[in-house]
Amino acid sequence: GNSVTQMEGPVTLSEEAFLTINCTYTATGYPSLFWYVQYPGEGLQLLLKATKADDKGSNKGFEATYRKETTSFHLEKGSVQVSDSAVYFCALSDGGGATNKLIFGTGTLLAVQP
Amino acid sequence: GAGVSQSPRYKVTKRGQDVALRCDPISGHVSLYWYRQALGQGPEFLTYFNYEAQQDKSGLPNDRFSAERPEGSISTLTIQRTEQRDSAMYRCASSLVMGLRPDSPLHFGNGTRLTVT
Repeated sequence: GNSVTQMEGPVTLSEEAFLTINCTYTATGYPSLFWYVQYPGEGLQLLLKATKADDKGSNKGFEATYRKETTSFHLEKGSVQVSDSAVYFCALSDGGGATNKLIFGTGTLLAVQP
Repeated sequence: GAGVSQSPRYKVTKRGQDVALRCDPISGHVSLYWYRQALGQGPEFLTYFNYEAQQDKSGLPNDRFSAERPEGSISTLTIQRTEQRDSAMYRCASSLVMGLRPDSPLHFGNGTRLTVT
């Protein structure tokens, strides 16, 4: 079945450091890929998305490129801030097929220190 | 309302009791989803509705869990005869259109933290 695998956290970085959170997926067909972010005490928010191979999603300085050849969707940011501290979830959907639901990874906690 | 609203925010119940968790989606949103999130895990799909019709309940763990959305707006997730393993964060999400389309993302509520003692 479809699944998402994320690197385990926590990831602890100093402010202005470069961030990579790895995400790989297993899916039949052509899923859409997402990154969601959960700030402390809040619900999940969509951070960025990509719908087909080689698409790059971007938002708030974060980027992720849909790589079909490596089945990956790694999240990157060039210079993190303390306010980026949150849990990040990679997710996929089958884009309207039979399942019609989001499948999430286990989440990666990012802690940015000043 | 401004966002998806869930109540109660926290619920502590004794094993064997029934609980009802409420979700009030964003006004006008067609689809409504229920997810369960255990500590340290990602959200796990339970069920979803388009309008009042339950489209997929394959994620409900067993027949103690049920959900309804009788008027196509507010939804209730009911857990009967709760067990300790039911303890988790229960999250509701809604979307403007039917199905999971990248141009119509899911909007999540803050969740209900259920603790079964």
